[in-house]
Amino acid sequence: AQTVTQSQPEMSVQEAETVTLSCTYDTSESDYYLFWYKQPPSRQMILVIRQEAYKQQNATENRFSVNFQKAAKSFSLKISDSQLGDAAMYFCGSSSTLGRLYFGRGTQLTVWP
Amino acid sequence: DSGVTQTPKHLITATGQRVTLRCSPRSGDLSVYWYQQSLDQGLQFLIQYYNGEERAKGNILERFSAQQFPDLHSELNLSSLELGDSALYFCASSIGSSGDGNTIYFGEGSWLTVV
Repeated sequence: AQTVTQSQPEMSVQEAETVTLSCTYDTSESDYYLFWYKQPPSRQMILVIRQEAYKQQNATENRFSVNFQKAAKSFSLKISDSQLGDAAMYFCGSSSTLGRLYFGRGTQLTVWP
Repeated sequence: DSGVTQTPKHLITATGQRVTLRCSPRSGDLSVYWYQQSLDQGLQFLIQYYNGEERAKGNILERFSAQQFPDLHSELNLSSLELGDSALYFCASSIGSSGDGNTIYFGEGSWLTVV
């Protein structure tokens, strides 16, 4: 089984600033994938970014990037130039070889104007 | 729009009743997943189907059952409902069955309120 831990229940950031959300995971599998999903007030689960564990290069999607530290089993999400629309609950997830996603408890991000 | 369609979007029912939640996966996706999101339990994996066959089982209660039909749509049946079953139920889909990096796309969820 896999476990995912998000140690920050809440975070806040000023508009246009940068914020980093933390995530650690534990898995015994050698092949796995990591994801960040965003859940705005609409409750829709929206994929933000994904990382293949076998790739050393950190994934980037526009203002979103990750810091993947495989040895430390750490997978943090950095949001640059934060926008009001980034306010949401962010879930870190890890997929097993069966494909199912294990999620952390989430980090509620508030963006201040 | 993720391409995953769930119905109904909202449902209110009484304790002891039975409901069925329906999910149509994205076109071409063979795997369907069901997740339950409640305030105190976070996002809980319930069950996964791949091309009609059960692939993985999570924290699904015996009162709950699911199936995936030949046209790949899936239904989650919840019976003998209790107040604690009130939650947002997500269906999600992906192309394959294994953890080969298939991204899982979520539907908008079905809000179930048990009164």
